Amino acid sequence: AQSVTQLDSHVSVSEGTPVLLRCNYSSSYSPSLFWYVQHPNKGLQLLLKYTSAATLVKGINGFEAEFKKSETSFHLTKPSAHMSDAAEYFCAAPTTTSGTYKYIFGTGTRLKVLA
Amino acid sequence: GAVVSQHPSRVICKSGTSVKIECRSLDFQATTMFWYRQFPKQSLMLMATSNEGSKATYEQGVEKDKFLINHASLTLSTLTVTSAHPEDSSFYICSARAQRGYTGELFFGEGSRLTVL
Repeated sequence: AQSVTQLDSHVSVSEGTPVLLRCNYSSSYSPSLFWYVQHPNKGLQLLLKYTSAATLVKGINGFEAEFKKSETSFHLTKPSAHMSDAAEYFCAAPTTTSGTYKYIFGTGTRLKVLA
Repeated sequence: GAVVSQHPSRVICKSGTSVKIECRSLDFQATTMFWYRQFPKQSLMLMATSNEGSKATYEQGVEKDKFLINHASLTLSTLTVTSAHPEDSSFYICSARAQRGYTGELFFGEGSRLTVL
């Protein structure tokens, strides 16, 4: 992918309600796409990945994402939010620039879960 | 999943001193390691890409002489912040790409918070 865009910088949901974190990508070919979660003062943990196999990808902690080529989207969802889901979420995609492999990260979405 | 260990997690130093941060892949060999800097409430900013046995590739605007990167083996990369100043205070995160067995995902260290007094 040449770019990934996270449409919401902040999302607030009530505990027990569904979560939707949006990510759109631009690419001239079918990309690999990833979602990562970051808790405060921690590194990033892989939630799930899409690598051109099944378009609906299931990840850890009940999260899943659906790759939709027609919409160039890879939105992250969870049926029921838990307090422990409060964190920063990053959509990411690998790319190669001038022969160098690197990752493109979205700007992040901070998820707040209300009791 | 694969584990990346980053050390130290927190470091406080005086202005003008140098600080070394280590990044180790514990159970896999990493073809490439990446160093990021993260400002509060912002995304990750790629500083440099390092491949084992070769010079690191720095992103535009990152001072090579300030941020020395060494990737001596397939399991270890180090970032040295030389002559640190308060503006170098930040959260630094390393990540590694596995040589084989994975489909392109990166594995991240826990990060190192540097505070320069």
